[in-house]
Amino acid sequence: GESVGLHLPTLSVQEGDNSIINCAYSNSASDYFIWYKQESGKGPQFIIDIRSNMDKRQGQRVTVLLNKTVKHLSLQIAATQPGDSAVYFCAERGTGANNLFFGTGTRLTVIP
Amino acid sequence: GAGVSQSPRYKVTKRGQDVALRCDPISGHVSLYWYRQALGQGPEFLTYFNYEAQQDKSGLPNDRFSAERPEGSISTLTIQRTEQRDSAMYRCASSLGGGVYEQYFGPGTRLTVT
Repeated sequence: GESVGLHLPTLSVQEGDNSIINCAYSNSASDYFIWYKQESGKGPQFIIDIRSNMDKRQGQRVTVLLNKTVKHLSLQIAATQPGDSAVYFCAERGTGANNLFFGTGTRLTVIP
Repeated sequence: GAGVSQSPRYKVTKRGQDVALRCDPISGHVSLYWYRQALGQGPEFLTYFNYEAQQDKSGLPNDRFSAERPEGSISTLTIQRTEQRDSAMYRCASSLGGGVYEQYFGPGTRLTVT
């Protein structure tokens, strides 16, 4: 079956620095990926998505990069702020379906 | 506008009892999903509806779990004869559908089986 995982379970960055959160996926047929942010006690919140026909997509302070050759996804957060502290999940769309498969998550801590 | 809502937010039940968890998706969202999330883990897919049709229930752990969405809006996830291992956060999400896959999650129902 599909599996999605993250390289690092925790990441600490200084306020104002850029953050990079990485994710590996195993299903080369997955065609859609999402990054979610989950703050304590809340549901996952959509950050940015990317389809497999793209290799980069930018949002407000966030960029997602997709490398299909090595099945790697990354989320870059520019000028990280204390409000960015949360657990970040990558998820891939199951083959032929709309359900998402989530990885374990990376906890980002921003140090003021 | 209102987001996805779920009720109850917390449910404590005794082993062997049945529970019903409710999800009210964003108005107009065609697709509705149920997930289960263990502490420190990502949501785990349970089942998915398009309108009132249950399109995929491959993630339901066993036949004690069922879900319905009779009018294509509100959905209920029912767990019969609850067991302690059913304790988890149950999350609902909805999406616009029609090829739009962005899912919006609700606050979840924390189920504790004693």
